[in-house]
Amino acid sequence: QKEVEQNSGPLSVPEGAIASLNCTYSDRGSQSFFWYRQYSGKSPELIMFIYSNGDKEDGRFTAQLNKASQYVSLLIRDSQPSDSATYLCAVGGLTNAGKSTFGDGTTLTVKP
Amino acid sequence: ETGVTQSPTHLIKTRGQQVTLRCSSQSGHNTVSWYQQALGQGPQFIFQYYREEENGRGNFPPRFSGLQFPNYSSELNVNALELDDSALYLCASSLVGWGTEAFFGQGTRLTVV
Repeated sequence: QKEVEQNSGPLSVPEGAIASLNCTYSDRGSQSFFWYRQYSGKSPELIMFIYSNGDKEDGRFTAQLNKASQYVSLLIRDSQPSDSATYLCAVGGLTNAGKSTFGDGTTLTVKP
Repeated sequence: ETGVTQSPTHLIKTRGQQVTLRCSSQSGHNTVSWYQQALGQGPQFIFQYYREEENGRGNFPPRFSGLQFPNYSSELNVNALELDDSALYLCASSLVGWGTEAFFGQGTRLTVV
């Protein structure tokens, strides 16, 4: 079992819909949770991070964390074709974001 | 733009050769982490350098080694290249401290033939 698992995808949603990306992790000691977006052939770009249980909103993005269930999700509202990318979930300790464990990503396609 | 730069962007090497990849960290960051990303997979942690010392290592053999310099830039060296070393190598720059984030460079695409 991988330490960080993401829905296998690919995920396809119509433009304007809500895209929901899910991630579970096995290390209960994990304290920081990151979502990265990676376009094909490019490097990962940090889009959100969350440390506390609950929701964190940033524009069209909402990250949700449930430490008891070891579950973190990313919602993208009003999805745009430019959101089409692979979304990587990463999990780590609280004081060293550079040492994170990544899932294999979920590929999202937003269809016009 | 993250301020993290890597060189070269692409590289082709022959099996058995050695390669050095370079990374300049973001201004103000003191930590550089290296990751290997194979096609269709997430980045895998190779090691991290903090204040010029190795600060943690993933499940990679000793032929993967590194350095960090006083200006916090870093090198990743890989000896005796194997075909499976073909991947995107990513450098992430960060600060050690509460609630910090890591930012990636554009990566080096290494192909071993």
